[in-house]
Amino acid sequence: AQTVTQSQPEMSVQEAETVTLSCTYDTSESNYYLFWYKQPPSRQMILVIRQEAYKQQNATENRFSVNFQKAAKSFSLKISDSQLGDTAMYFCAFMKDRSYNTDKLIFGTGTRLQVFP
Amino acid sequence: EAGVAQSPRYKIIEKRQSVAFWCNPISGHATLYWYQQILGQGPKLLIQFQNNGVVDDSQLPKDRFSAERLKGVDSTLKIQPAKLEDSAVYLCASSLGLAGGPRTTDTQYFGPGTRLTVL
Repeated sequence: AQTVTQSQPEMSVQEAETVTLSCTYDTSESNYYLFWYKQPPSRQMILVIRQEAYKQQNATENRFSVNFQKAAKSFSLKISDSQLGDTAMYFCAFMKDRSYNTDKLIFGTGTRLQVFP
Repeated sequence: EAGVAQSPRYKIIEKRQSVAFWCNPISGHATLYWYQQILGQGPKLLIQFQNNGVVDDSQLPKDRFSAERLKGVDSTLKIQPAKLEDSAVYLCASSLGLAGGPRTTDTQYFGPGTRLTVL
């Protein structure tokens, strides 16, 4: 079975600084997807960034980028130029390839990020 | 574009009572998901629908939980009877449900959730 581990329950960063959130996962699959979701205090989960395991290039979305290390089964999220609006719970999630006929997301326990002015 | 709608936003019930949650997905989205998020944990998939058919309900406690998606649009999730451990946020999500094969995936869009407290 697949598992996702986020070892940092809480992180804090000053506005405009850079912060990295860690995620490791366990799977025997070779094709899969990894995601970072953001859940602000209002609770609506929003997709931040997605990485396809068969792509070697790390995904980037504006201030958000990932460091995907497939052999190490590591998937960290870097937030550059942190903003107050980045304050939220961040979840790392895993999904098997669609050939298994399921789009189930398997989530980690989350990292609460606080951005200070 | 309207997002995923859920109601009610909050519900408090006594144990052994029944409760129902409603979800309206984004227009045109064929796939609908119900996740359970217990405090301090990540969401866990309860059931996935493709149109009005069930794709995955392997983690749905079928002795007390039921879900339906009539006409392939709105969905309801019911708990009967509720237990203390059912206290959680119930999240509904939807995705386009593209008929792509391997190496394709859709973005799941989440609703605001329903916070259930069982006393």
